[in-house]
Amino acid sequence: DAGVIQSPRHEVTEMGQEVTLRCKPISGHDYLFWYRQTMMRGLELLIYFNNNVPIDDSGMPEDRFSAKMPNASFSTLKIQPSEPRDSAVYFCASSPVGGREKLFFGSGTQLSVL
Amino acid sequence: RKEVEQDPGPFNVPEGATVAFNCTYSNSASQSFFWYRQDCRKEPKLLMSVYSSGNEDGRFTAQLNRASQYISLLIRDSKLSDSATYLCVCIPGGSYIPTFGRGTSLIVHP
Repeated sequence: DAGVIQSPRHEVTEMGQEVTLRCKPISGHDYLFWYRQTMMRGLELLIYFNNNVPIDDSGMPEDRFSAKMPNASFSTLKIQPSEPRDSAVYFCASSPVGGREKLFFGSGTQLSVL
Repeated sequence: RKEVEQDPGPFNVPEGATVAFNCTYSNSASQSFFWYRQDCRKEPKLLMSVYSSGNEDGRFTAQLNRASQYISLLIRDSKLSDSATYLCVCIPGGSYIPTFGRGTSLIVHP
């Protein structure tokens, strides 16, 4: 099993540019979570999907952030336009039964917005 | 007040020591609890679940105190490889959303 796969591992971009982060969950997992981690705020849930449907996006900072899950094997998190304060590590995680069981995290995307 | 609070540390202990971390949660309806471990520049990984009666996994013991709304993690005979950040996770009843604490940093030195 390849686990949760995220790409890219590192992204360096300039303020104002569009950033797209990608995630492939573990096959058969019905839940997908996007988290952001910073030193100041720790791990924050941005949005989660159940069976490809967004269930709770209350953690999405503002309209500059959007997430999609067009099918069971792929999700994207887009930031447009990006700002320096968006710099963080973005994790995708999947689970067969939501957070009540083990979450499997991807390796994360280290985003730096200059 | 944050939903899940942890002392960030770092806890700096010698090899062989016993160390304990606490984590407090504000939502009294929380029903599921976990400890995750995160190594530097890596993703979090499940360390152990926390059961109402307390549970043990080798050198690690997790306990839940519902009356005082905290969970604890005890590590006996610390190893250098235990150095990491330990994240507390709580899930309210009826929810599928895990809420993470900011983590407690542990450094085990020779």
